[in-house]
Amino acid sequence: DTAVSQTPKYLVTQMGNDKSIKCEQNLGHDTMYWYKQDSKKFLKIMFSYNNKELIINETVPNRFSPKSPDKAHLNLHINSLELGDSAVYFCASSPRKGATNEKLFFGSGTQLSVL
Amino acid sequence: GNSVTQMEGPVTLSEEAFLTINCTYTATGYPSLFWYVQYPGEGLQLLLKATKADDKGSNKGFEATYRKETTSFHLEKGSVQVSDSAVYFCALSDLFSGGYNKLIFGAGTRLAVHP
Repeated sequence: DTAVSQTPKYLVTQMGNDKSIKCEQNLGHDTMYWYKQDSKKFLKIMFSYNNKELIINETVPNRFSPKSPDKAHLNLHINSLELGDSAVYFCASSPRKGATNEKLFFGSGTQLSVL
Repeated sequence: GNSVTQMEGPVTLSEEAFLTINCTYTATGYPSLFWYVQYPGEGLQLLLKATKADDKGSNKGFEATYRKETTSFHLEKGSVQVSDSAVYFCALSDLFSGGYNKLIFGAGTRLAVHP
């Protein structure tokens, strides 16, 4: 069973559209994250939720809205897509917030291409 | 603020060569340090970690030592294989106000190993 699964794996869409990426983890973890990886492979945190509560919100345009219906799911909705949103988006989870010595478990990524 | 700097790639080596990928960090607290690896088309996975000064993390022949005096966590392997070709990320995890931790990544270093 995949520990952190995100769908879709590939997403190709037009500028101005609205799209969602879904993420689920079956590890029983409390904390989930969204990271964005640009074309140069640079990874930057976007959001983190702990037990459905938003705890990290980096400087991200408000066109990006995360939603966590329960602690096993963290979805990312993007409104009015722009060319600069093209990237690979990774979902990740960790057992709990505040555990600096624990690793993150990553999904396999969603490659978003905005045309 | 907290940050991670790692050597730019790509690093191109022949099989059985010695590998060093440099990583230095800036942190206000006492972070844990990690190396993650990303194989083509996959998400990141933990390679090794060290949680306090002078700790050595090791896995699959890779090693890195947490050096507080030089704020470094260089990755080494004595004899690389073609299967080690991937992107390697140095990262730190530190505790922020609010009791949450955040994983901050370096820019990634691509390693290409040729037979």
